[in-house]
Amino acid sequence: DGGITQSPKYLFRKEGQNVTLSCEQNLNHDAMYWYRQDPGQGLRLIYYSQIVNDFQKGDIAEGYSVSREKKESFPLTVTSAQKNPTAFYLCASSMGAGMSEAFFGQGTRLTVV
Amino acid sequence: GQQLNQSPQSMFIQEGEDVSMNCTSSSIFNTWLWYKQEPGEGPVLLIALYKAGELTSNGRLTAQFGITRKDSFLNISASIPSDVGIYFCAGFPRNTGKLIFGQGTTLQVKP
Repeated sequence: DGGITQSPKYLFRKEGQNVTLSCEQNLNHDAMYWYRQDPGQGLRLIYYSQIVNDFQKGDIAEGYSVSREKKESFPLTVTSAQKNPTAFYLCASSMGAGMSEAFFGQGTRLTVV
Repeated sequence: GQQLNQSPQSMFIQEGEDVSMNCTSSSIFNTWLWYKQEPGEGPVLLIALYKAGELTSNGRLTAQFGITRKDSFLNISASIPSDVGIYFCAGFPRNTGKLIFGQGTTLQVKP
């Protein structure tokens, strides 16, 4: 099946630990995106990548890092520098950035205790 | 940065009623996308719009890309209980690869 897979669905970490969220797509899409969603809020852009080996900061990149070494993968690391990491994280991909539909994974709910 | 203003923030309607929501921005957009999100899930794409003035339907849903390229609306006709959820507008501002989202419209439908 073609689609975007985020894993795991639920993730628990202790405060001060880095954690990496996985996002894989088999849609052959060039562009990928990471968003953060807090309860009752919209989606805020963390990082996006328009092509392999390139990525740009979104509106709330502080405390996060990404890599794009392969077209199908765009992992997000939530570092210990992120002041309030508990949130619902969503990954999306699109054929290109700017003029195409974007599709989402099922999300990862991260809880830091 | 670019902002999308989505309204209304929430709606509580009777089954069978029509619903309308819209998004506006001070920036020009190349593409408008409308999504529906249910609790604990990722947003699901409903409609995509690519040209100014474009009017597109998907079943009981109709969306339009504003002539100025700075706004879009979504209409739902004859609402049913399964329409409940949060609806988001999203778009690619001109000359950027960013996909940004509105704050969402929470729809509740009373049977």
